Amino acid sequence: IVMTQSPLSLPVTPGEPASISCRSSQSLLHTNRYNYLDWYLQKPGQSPQLLIFLGFNRASGVPGRFSGSGSGTNFTLKISRVEAEDVGVYYCMQTLQTLYTFGQGTKLEIK
Amino acid sequence: QVQLVQSGAEVKRPGASVKVSCKASGYTFAGYYIHWVRQAPGQGLEWMGRIHPTSVDTNYAQNFQGRVTMTRDTSITTAYMELSGLRFDDSAVYYCARASEGLDFWGQGTLVTVSS
Repeated sequence: IVMTQSPLSLPVTPGEPASISCRSSQSLLHTNRYNYLDWYLQKPGQSPQLLIFLGFNRASGVPGRFSGSGSGTNFTLKISRVEAEDVGVYYCMQTLQTLYTFGQGTKLEIK
Repeated sequence: QVQLVQSGAEVKRPGASVKVSCKASGYTFAGYYIHWVRQAPGQGLEWMGRIHPTSVDTNYAQNFQGRVTMTRDTSITTAYMELSGLRFDDSAVYYCARASEGLDFWGQGTLVTVSS
């Protein structure tokens, strides 16, 4: 499954919202009605960290300004109000097929 | 607390093999897959494969089939990733991660440099 993110670069003013799109070449909707799509953030110089799993569930400790939505082949990660600490590269990853695949990444920077 | 601690940086010649370890603690090692992900310099994340600590079920990405071997030693709660036939473009940071609901805990990464 090929994952395609857009945009690849996202300059955002602090306090403003941000949105990242992720599209999959095949539906990620399982028969159990869950979408097998996760979101990760890799801050500069750090290991990736889990933000969202199964499409919309926030991982433990993830601030409420992060939300995931979408179904099938189209997904969105939204940040309601960007903060300086949100800079880094955001990745979506499909987990429907056993051989997982990541999107190319979206680099969020502060204007 | 859950921790994944990886082995240190490696420098290898082209054609050699490298074996990276991932020591797990703070949870029941047997209950969760360990995944391996790599990141070449300035590039994105690339999923390599996964291993289940007890069933020894393994799945490898097509890009690494025939070159990667994932193993584990449950007695010391450690997972291993061995990559053979190293090429210059295998230079990367290699991460292990625990799979729960998502890859929820990650190791600190191991830098592997392939250089002649």
